[in-house]
Amino acid sequence: ETGVTQTPRHLVMGMTNKKSLKCEQHLGHNAMYWYKQSAKKPLELMFVYNFKEQTENNSVPSRFSPECPNSSHLFLHLHTLQPEDSALYLCASSQETGPNSPLHFGNGTRLTVT
Amino acid sequence: AQSVTQLGSHVSVSEGALVLLRCNYSSSVPPYLFWYVQYPNQGLQLLLKYTTGATLVKGINGFEAEFKKSETSFHLTKPSAHMSDAAEYFCAVSTRGNNRLAFGKGNQVVVIP
Repeated sequence: ETGVTQTPRHLVMGMTNKKSLKCEQHLGHNAMYWYKQSAKKPLELMFVYNFKEQTENNSVPSRFSPECPNSSHLFLHLHTLQPEDSALYLCASSQETGPNSPLHFGNGTRLTVT
Repeated sequence: AQSVTQLGSHVSVSEGALVLLRCNYSSSVPPYLFWYVQYPNQGLQLLLKYTTGATLVKGINGFEAEFKKSETSFHLTKPSAHMSDAAEYFCAVSTRGNNRLAFGKGNQVVVIP
C-alpha cells in the first residue's frame, strides 16, 4: 500500500460508545495531522504530531483523544460523542512542518453519531 | 489570524469553458497559499502552491493560479474545463511559515457537458 490509509471508511456510533479511528502513512513522513470536515464549514485542524510528539491541540474537546505510537501511525479515540461531531475525519501527513512540505491526505472516515 | 474567502459554494461551468475560482485571503504577513482538490469519496490532493518567487504558479491537471498581493487574491484558473474536473476545490493560507493551514469553505465545481 502507498500513501495515507484510514480505517474504517464509515463508522456509525451511539453517544455512549467508544471507538477509534486509525491512520497509517507509508510515505516515511515525520508529521501527522487530524482534520475535521463538516458540511458547509472550512476544514478544522484538530491535532498535529511531529516525530510522535503532539505539537498542537486546536482546542479540541477531551472526548477526542489522539494517540501517535510512532511516526507512521495515528489514532483518534472517540468516547461519549455528540451528534454535532458527525463529520468526515481526515488524516494527513507531511515530511516536515514547513510550508514547502505539502500535506498528503487519506480518504477519510465518515463518522455518524446517533 | 489568517482567513480565506471563497465565494459561491457551487460553480457550474460548461465543458471546454474557462474555470475561474476566486480566493481572497487576509494576512498581516506574507502568506503561503495553496489550492487543494477533493474528488468524491477521497481526501484532499494538492493542486498547486505559492511560497515565494514567481507569482504565477502552475499546478497539476492544467490548473494555474496567480498571487496578487495588492488584491490579496490567489484565484485559480484552467482555460478549458474537462468532465474530470468535477470536484470540490479548497483554497488555503498559512502565515506562520509552516503548514498549519486555514482553509476556505470550498467551491463545488460541476461541469456541464
